[in-house]
Amino acid sequence: AQSVTQLGSHVSVSEGALVLLRCNYSSSVPPYLFWYVQYPNQGLQLLLKYTSAATLVKGINGFEAEFKKSETSFHLTKPSAHMSDAAEYFCAVSERDKIIFGKGTRLHILP
Amino acid sequence: GAVVSQHPSWVICKSGTSVKIECRSLDFQATTMFWYRQFPKQSLMLMATSNEGSKATYEQGVEKDKFLINHASLTLSTLTVTSAHPEDSSFYICSATSGASTDTQYFGPGTRLTVL
Repeated sequence: AQSVTQLGSHVSVSEGALVLLRCNYSSSVPPYLFWYVQYPNQGLQLLLKYTSAATLVKGINGFEAEFKKSETSFHLTKPSAHMSDAAEYFCAVSERDKIIFGKGTRLHILP
Repeated sequence: GAVVSQHPSWVICKSGTSVKIECRSLDFQATTMFWYRQFPKQSLMLMATSNEGSKATYEQGVEKDKFLINHASLTLSTLTVTSAHPEDSSFYICSATSGASTDTQYFGPGTRLTVL
């Protein structure tokens, strides 16, 4: 079965600093990979997805992620953090018709 | 596009009663809908997958008689928590995929259930 591992349940960055949220996947075949964001008491919003086209995927709100097959990674980055980025972020991998979610990383933005 | 709504957004009920949660795709036809449960500060746990007009497929460990899922149309799925108990209190989230893009799930805003 496929799985994703998110390193760090909590990440804190200063406003304006680089955001880096780590995700590693386990898959023997090229997977579909996703990053979702969840604000408190809300559902999930798709930030971006990788579907075996370009390895660098650009998403909404200035986020992007790079698929690195050699490292089985799909880390999420944003050059400059904004206070509104504070939320829970989930990395996910598709398995047939299901999505398998990581445990999530809560991003804190320090003023 | 691809908007999914849930109703109600929150509900409080007494132990032993049943609660129905609706999930609607507002601007597309959802060939498949998913129901998730999320405990505080945890990830989403898939409960079941439903296709329109078919019986839902439940994940291992999910009681199908307790969590009744109906997917009567291409825009509506319902989850009924029967004989609710305090341990059923949770955040329930639905998602849907369309025929055009089966790899991407669009999520509803979630329903907070509190059983007293």
